[in-house]
Amino acid sequence: DAKTTQPPSMDCAEGRAANLPCNHSTISGNEYVYWYRQIHSQGPQYIIHGLKNNETNEMASLIITEDRKSSTLILPHATLRDTAVYYCIVRDRGSTLGRLYFGRGTQLTVWP
Amino acid sequence: EAGVAQSPRYKIIEKRQSVAFWCNPISGHATLYWYQQILGQGPKLLIQFQNNGVVDDSQLPKDRFSAERLKGVDSTLKIQPAKLEDSAVYLCASSSLKGSGNTIYFGEGSWLTVV
Repeated sequence: DAKTTQPPSMDCAEGRAANLPCNHSTISGNEYVYWYRQIHSQGPQYIIHGLKNNETNEMASLIITEDRKSSTLILPHATLRDTAVYYCIVRDRGSTLGRLYFGRGTQLTVWP
Repeated sequence: EAGVAQSPRYKIIEKRQSVAFWCNPISGHATLYWYQQILGQGPKLLIQFQNNGVVDDSQLPKDRFSAERLKGVDSTLKIQPAKLEDSAVYLCASSSLKGSGNTIYFGEGSWLTVV
């Protein structure tokens, strides 16, 4: 079962930062926070993951609160191609077989 | 690096017919997953393989769904007989045992419509 809570939808102007929140209040110490996105008619695409420190890559930044009960995915300069459903997922760190449990995600719409 | 390959991309069948989906994971990935995604919902795990062995098939409707991964590489997912509620996208994914966080990568999916 999904262990995260996300708003069902958000929108953002092109060129502005998109900040997508996620609550995971029951996260345990051995669980990572993962973010995936799914553009219409495509499979989910990996974005970023983290344990407790903030992370940044070429796609996005991930900010995790100190108590690890929530996180925010930041797309610094959103484009129309970032319109997608964004999934926040907690995943067992200790197991190499840790699987992903998806919720309904957040539909992000970027408008011109 | 080639991604996860799936075929067919689209399939329309009548109820009670059978269908099979094929998946070729990323080279060297030992773990393979099949997910079902119904329109408007997030993907739901059906079955997980480690090499050619089943790790978890607790969510697989075994009266009509079957999956195999011969030789620990390619995998097939079969539905027989299909029901209307099986209309969904079937996603294959794979991951390596090595590397940071052993990220799971998905294919484009196989779209099934049962009429």
